[in-house]
Amino acid sequence: GQQLNQSPQSMFIQEGEDVSMNCTSSSIFNTWLWYKQDPGEGPVLLIALYKAGELTSNGRLTAQFGITRKDSFLNISASIPSDVGIYFCAGQPPTSGTYKYIFGTGTRLKVLA
Amino acid sequence: SAVISQKPSRDICQRGTSLTIQCQVDSQVTMMFWYRQQPGQSLTLIATANQGSEATYESGFVIDKFPISRPNLTFSTLTVSNMSPEDSSIYLCSVGGGGNTIYFGEGSWLTVV
Repeated sequence: GQQLNQSPQSMFIQEGEDVSMNCTSSSIFNTWLWYKQDPGEGPVLLIALYKAGELTSNGRLTAQFGITRKDSFLNISASIPSDVGIYFCAGQPPTSGTYKYIFGTGTRLKVLA
Repeated sequence: SAVISQKPSRDICQRGTSLTIQCQVDSQVTMMFWYRQQPGQSLTLIATANQGSEATYESGFVIDKFPISRPNLTFSTLTVSNMSPEDSSIYLCSVGGGGNTIYFGEGSWLTVV
């Protein structure tokens, strides 16, 4: 079946640094969603992407829908301690119905003050 | 986005027993879903909860193990039946939002002993 690989799996960064993570697949997707999950909480939607090449920002977060439609990227600028958590991408395959997504494996982010 | 509340938030259950998780949304929604997140893993869709009819299950999930009810447009329940330690997971209720987005509740954290 289709899989979404997220990279890196985990990362430790210093407060103030920029963070980059990506989500890749061998299949194309129509929509990408990015989520953050804090410890003990459900995932919270950060950004939604709908078109190849689209670049969308939400505060210090910027996400891009890859040109090939097989990948997506999330950048966090000037990280702060509350950025700690697990970041998930989710892609909607063309053959799936509305709201049907495949979730990535997650990137665990830890910020060192 | 809708406010999604789940009960219980956490529980420790004996193997062989069943537990019903409730999901209440503060507004009427057409699409409701149930996901499972096993420890340290990504999110997997269990089923779509259809209002007034039987749920639609994803491959690998069956009604006998995960019966779902959806009596109206704001409420759903998921039962985890005859639990074993392998059922220890976070169970997440989600709803479809605008722009083909999905929003999650805070999750129900089940530990089976």
